[in-house]
Amino acid sequence: EAGVAQSPRYKIIEKRQSVAFWCNPISGHATLYWYQQILGQGPKLLIQFQNNGVVDDSQLPKDRFSAERLKGVDSTLKIQPAKLEDSAVYLCASSLVYPRSSYNEQFFGPGTRLTVL
Amino acid sequence: DAKTTQPPSMDCAEGRAANLPCNHSTISGNEYVYWYRQIHSQGPQYIIHGLKNNETNEMASLIITEDRKSSTLILPHATLRDTAVYYCIVFSGGSNYKLTFGKGTLLTVNP
Repeated sequence: EAGVAQSPRYKIIEKRQSVAFWCNPISGHATLYWYQQILGQGPKLLIQFQNNGVVDDSQLPKDRFSAERLKGVDSTLKIQPAKLEDSAVYLCASSLVYPRSSYNEQFFGPGTRLTVL
Repeated sequence: DAKTTQPPSMDCAEGRAANLPCNHSTISGNEYVYWYRQIHSQGPQYIIHGLKNNETNEMASLIITEDRKSSTLILPHATLRDTAVYYCIVFSGGSNYKLTFGKGTLLTVNP
């Protein structure tokens, strides 16, 4: 089966510019996640969708970051305006939902490497 | 979710078993131990998870101590392709399926 697709793979912008990332999850996966991974650290969850509703966006810097998943399939993450500290890899992941189950296998895309100059 | 502690790095010879430890002394009764790994320039990949019994799949084995305060991920015959950062995560499930990644252990498999 096709994996999680992300684009672009690399992006270089100057601070105060805006940028958008796109993610297409695995077909049929109701849950979609956006993570930020700063060099040398583990991924940090920014936002989680179930279908087109937000489940958790507690760590999303809402003054500059926004995300949407309008039709419950693909998703975009936007940063406006970007800061130097936003330089990171942005990972998208998706999973099925297993109610009342411990199983949580998230499938990750290759990520978008953002450099803010 | 409970916090985990892992060594920052480990080495292993190719063909030998790699044993990656994880401490999770504050784990509660309903929390599972999950392992993911991240090969350079790729997204993380699920490996295995368990509650209290030892688990084995085609990738690895997971040994959880009887008091559940620590666990070991075992790669029985490490290859160069197993060089990656390995993350031990304690996860309670629930409605949001949120995983919290730490810094993990960088396993380097040497020829």
